[in-house]
Amino acid sequence: QVQLVESGGGLVKPGGSLRLSCAASGFTFSDYYMSWVRQAPGKGLEWVSYISSGRTLDYADSVKGRFTISRDNAKNSLYLQMNSLRAEDTAVYYCARDFPRFDYWGQGTLVTVSS
Amino acid sequence: EIVLTQSPGTLSLSPGERATLSCRASQSVSSNYLAWYQQKPGQAPRLLIYGASSRATGIPDRFSGSGSGTDFTLTISRLEPEDFAVYYCQQYDRSPPTFGGGTKVEIK
Repeated sequence: QVQLVESGGGLVKPGGSLRLSCAASGFTFSDYYMSWVRQAPGKGLEWVSYISSGRTLDYADSVKGRFTISRDNAKNSLYLQMNSLRAEDTAVYYCARDFPRFDYWGQGTLVTVSS
Repeated sequence: EIVLTQSPGTLSLSPGERATLSCRASQSVSSNYLAWYQQKPGQAPRLLIYGASSRATGIPDRFSGSGSGTDFTLTISRLEPEDFAVYYCQQYDRSPPTFGGGTKVEIK
């Protein structure tokens, strides 16, 4: 069955950096677009970024220029490099299969940006 | 970007009752590129409906979606205890994909 497992979250100071990872299994990773979606505490869902199998990518305006999405098809892994983090980036970050519809989601990893 | 407004914010119902959730878009969503997700506390969202009315894999037939253009509805025909959760609509017609603010279905 499809499994997506995120890691790399934690507490970071404003202006700091963090790299999230998502390990995928149960499907042919290289065949699928992959996405990151986040959810601030007690709030709704916000799409962050996607990357295609051919490495076409895009970002939400709120993270453009600060976040970088990448993938390693040989390792069945998705990444999100987050730089210049702000308090408003505090959220659970979910790895999700496909774009622009998200058919499977990981359990998420919490990123807290605070001094 | 397309703004999705969900109503009501909270729906208080009893098990066995029918739930009707609304999602209104600020612009027409073409080709019915509208999805619904269920999220339980501490869990990831789960895809329920795509294409406005197609059930995702493994979703029980008590869940149904309808609508077109700017007005969409998720109906749960008879609420089971495990259906009490937050439901989000999402449009994927135009980038960026956007979500509604959610409707919480709680036990009355």
